[in-house]
Amino acid sequence: DVKVTQSSRYLVKRTGEKVFLECVQDMDHENMFWYRQDPGLGLRLIYFSYDVKMKEKGDIPEGYSVSREKKERFSLILESASTNQTSMYLCASSLGTAGPEAFFGQGTRLTVV
Amino acid sequence: KNEVEQSPQNLTAQEGEFITINCSYSVGISALHWLQQHPGGGIVSLFMLSSGKKKHGRLIATINIQEKHSSLHITASHPRDSAVYICAVHFKAAGNKLTFGGGTRVLVKP
Repeated sequence: DVKVTQSSRYLVKRTGEKVFLECVQDMDHENMFWYRQDPGLGLRLIYFSYDVKMKEKGDIPEGYSVSREKKERFSLILESASTNQTSMYLCASSLGTAGPEAFFGQGTRLTVV
Repeated sequence: KNEVEQSPQNLTAQEGEFITINCSYSVGISALHWLQQHPGGGIVSLFMLSSGKKKHGRLIATINIQEKHSSLHITASHPRDSAVYICAVHFKAAGNKLTFGGGTRVLVKP
């Protein structure tokens, strides 16, 4: 059974804190993605990675960075959390060469106070 | 521009009714997903389509490549079908990235 696991379902952090959101997949997928979901704006791509140590900016990368040191793990980093980063964060992965089917994690609801 | 439009935004149905959600997109795609998101956030992939029609239980998804349009149908709807349904596409020019529609919030009343 394929799995994309996000480390936390709910997270509350203070403004200015450094925040790490972790995502792990057990399918040996090359591609991994971080999205945020906001009411009225839908899902927007923050960053994605198509291989270890490779990353590309998505549509809204400002205020975020990412790390992919191992194939199975893709971390989203908020260097200095701000209240406008309060959102639902979703991780996804896909096997690049065998078609675009994507699998999603359960989501992390982050509140920055 | 790569765009995905869903309609309606909200839909309320009585249990047992037939439900249709629509998705239109702007340019050529390699595949289209229908996703389901229950309260609490987790997303489940229902279908991935590149042509024709797929059926799984009470759910049917169709796609018309020429018209750049897909529909998701729920037959004999049930309150447990209440969720947000999201259309997402892989535009041919965008590689493995997904572009998402705004979602359709479905409420099925008993």
